[in-house]
Amino acid sequence: QMQLQESGPGLVKPTQSLFLTCSVTGFSITSGYYWIWIRQSQGKHLEWMGYMTYSGETFYNPSLKSPISITRETSKNQFFLQLNSVTTEDTAMYYCAGDNSGYWYFDFWGPGTMVTVSS
Amino acid sequence: AIVLNQSPSSIVASQGEKVTITCRASSSISSNYLHWYQQKPGAFPKLVIYSTSYRASGIPSRFSGSGSGTSYSFTISRVEAEDVATYYCQQGSSNPLTFGSGTKLEIK
Repeated sequence: QMQLQESGPGLVKPTQSLFLTCSVTGFSITSGYYWIWIRQSQGKHLEWMGYMTYSGETFYNPSLKSPISITRETSKNQFFLQLNSVTTEDTAMYYCAGDNSGYWYFDFWGPGTMVTVSS
Repeated sequence: AIVLNQSPSSIVASQGEKVTITCRASSSISSNYLHWYQQKPGAFPKLVIYSTSYRASGIPSRFSGSGSGTSYSFTISRVEAEDVATYYCQQGSSNPLTFGSGTKLEIK
C-alpha cells in the first residue's frame, strides 16, 4: 500500500525560502502517478499548488501569488516543494498527494505538515 | 479558474436525517471531474465520491452524489454521528484544479 509522508521546518521567517519533502513508500515515483502538493490555510481553504509527473514534468497553479518549484530525488523516492520569499499568507498545512485516476481526484494523501511563517 | 460555490456553509442535522450539499461551478464541468471529500478535524481530506457519483473504496452506501454541467450535489441519506466533518467539492476539469469552500456538518 502506497504511503506518503511530508516533512518540513515547521517555522519559517518572512522572506526566507520554504522547502518541504514528501517521502513515498510502497510505490516508485518514477513508475506512475502524478505527485501533487496541496495546502490548506488556517481558514480551511484548500489550494492545489502543482504537480510533477512520474517522468518529471511539472505544472504549477498559475493563480499562486508566489512562484513555486517542484523537484524530486528519485534515488530516495522523494519529491519536494520549494517556495521562495514566503509571507505570512503561506502559513498553512501542506499536503502531498498522489493521483493515478485520469480524472484528477486524490485518493492517496500524506498526513500533512504544518508550516508557520512568522518573525 | 473555475470557482466552486458550495452551500450551505454549515449544516446542523439530527442523526438519521438526510442532508444535501450543493456545489455550483462557474463554468460547466464534465461529470467525470467532480469529486467530494470528507475532512475530519486533524486529518487530511478523504475521498468520498469521485466522478460525481462513484463511492470511493470503503465508503458506506448512505453517501451519494449526482449532478451535471454546473450543478452538483452530495447527499448523506441518514446522517450518523461519525459523519461529523467538513465536506469539500473539487473539480479536475480545468487547471488550476479548485476546491469548494467547504460545508461543516454538525450533529444536534
